[in-house]
Amino acid sequence: DVKVTQSSRYLVKRTGEKVFLECVQDMDHENMFWYRQDPGLGLRLIYFSYDVKMKEKGDIPEGYSVSREKKERFSLILESASTNQTSMYLCASSLAVAYYGYTFGSGTRLTVV
Amino acid sequence: QKEVEQNSGPLSVPEGAIASLNCTYSDRGSQSFFWYRQYSGKSPELIMFIYSNGDKEDGRFTAQLNKASQYVSLLIRDSQPSDSATYLCAVSNSGGGADGLTFGKGTHLIIQP
Repeated sequence: DVKVTQSSRYLVKRTGEKVFLECVQDMDHENMFWYRQDPGLGLRLIYFSYDVKMKEKGDIPEGYSVSREKKERFSLILESASTNQTSMYLCASSLAVAYYGYTFGSGTRLTVV
Repeated sequence: QKEVEQNSGPLSVPEGAIASLNCTYSDRGSQSFFWYRQYSGKSPELIMFIYSNGDKEDGRFTAQLNKASQYVSLLIRDSQPSDSATYLCAVSNSGGGADGLTFGKGTHLIIQP
């Protein structure tokens, strides 16, 4: 089975800090995604990548950036954390989205104080 | 803006009955449709996918697709308390899903013992 690992399950950061959320997959998937999930708003796509060093903006990229230096690792960066970025962050990967859907990581619950 | 609509619930179903979950989508070019189950505090897990019009059965789960009506449903037979969760409908975006899946906000299902 594909394993998608997110480095932290819970994280508390201060306003203005630079925050790194790491995601690693072990199945050589080309496609990786970052979502945030908030009550009442559902899953919203932040950024995605379909190849090393490639990145595309999703629906809500403001305040975030990403890095994909290696195929297996996709990092989400909060340049200057704000309280409205308190959320559950979910990483997902896929061999081919239309055929296989996603495998999600276990999620990182980020609280910005 | 691509949209996926689900009734948020909660949908309460007696144990042993059939639970019926519904989803409509706006992108007529969508090709692939997925159902994810998400337990409270956990990440979504894929339980069913369907590409063609009609029914697809897997154990107690049946996915139904009607592309003309842009409607997807999930039936859960012999509902168990362990089926209590939020069910997310996801649709691959036209173009093969290269830019990911669009999710509904989920239906909260409660199976009453």
